[in-house]
Amino acid sequence: DTEVTQTPKHLVMGMTNKKSLKCEQHMGHRAMYWYKQKAKKPPELMFVYSYEKLSINESVPSRFSPECPNSSLLNLHLHALQPEDSALYLCASSQVGVEQFFGPGTRLTVL
Amino acid sequence: QKEVEQNSGPLSVPEGAIASLNCTYSDRGSQSFFWYRQYSGKSPELIMFIYSNGDKEDGRFTAQLNKASQYVSLLIRDSQPSDSATYLCPGPKDDKIIFGKGTRLHILP
Repeated sequence: DTEVTQTPKHLVMGMTNKKSLKCEQHMGHRAMYWYKQKAKKPPELMFVYSYEKLSINESVPSRFSPECPNSSLLNLHLHALQPEDSALYLCASSQVGVEQFFGPGTRLTVL
Repeated sequence: QKEVEQNSGPLSVPEGAIASLNCTYSDRGSQSFFWYRQYSGKSPELIMFIYSNGDKEDGRFTAQLNKASQYVSLLIRDSQPSDSATYLCPGPKDDKIIFGKGTRLHILP
């Protein structure tokens, strides 16, 4: 299996909802990433997990909560989001320090 | 100083011509360099990586690396309309990868 999968593809949520984004890879990669991408902007790094431990948090608001249950799975828990959080959320994985492979993304809309 | 600098474009190139995309890095310790292509509404796709100075060719794509000048380029020969996309060259900062603005490439039919 040489791909990164993300679910759901689209998500619409209200500002009081709690939802989760899921990412999975079976390439044996030990680093996994969450990015946020707004229209016509480059991906912005949010979190990095290395060997299942959170290694980088780019000062992301606490309404975004990452979780790495095992080496193949990465979750992003969402709570009390704002409309400006609407974006494409990308998951990526890699062997540590080399090229990243991206999933298809989750298009999030916060109403 | 920005970690990665790219001309944001748009860069318009006639179909069949060579498209040349450039990227400069501020981190002299960079060891590996990548080019990603991103179509509108889609996720970035890795198209080339290069670790050594010089040229690396893959089909119509050639990556050129000059570590001393902290400069990497991507040449696309025989440009096709399907090459119209944003091209990203992430660069290292500390222990992470930072994406620059990317260059929007438009191939003119």
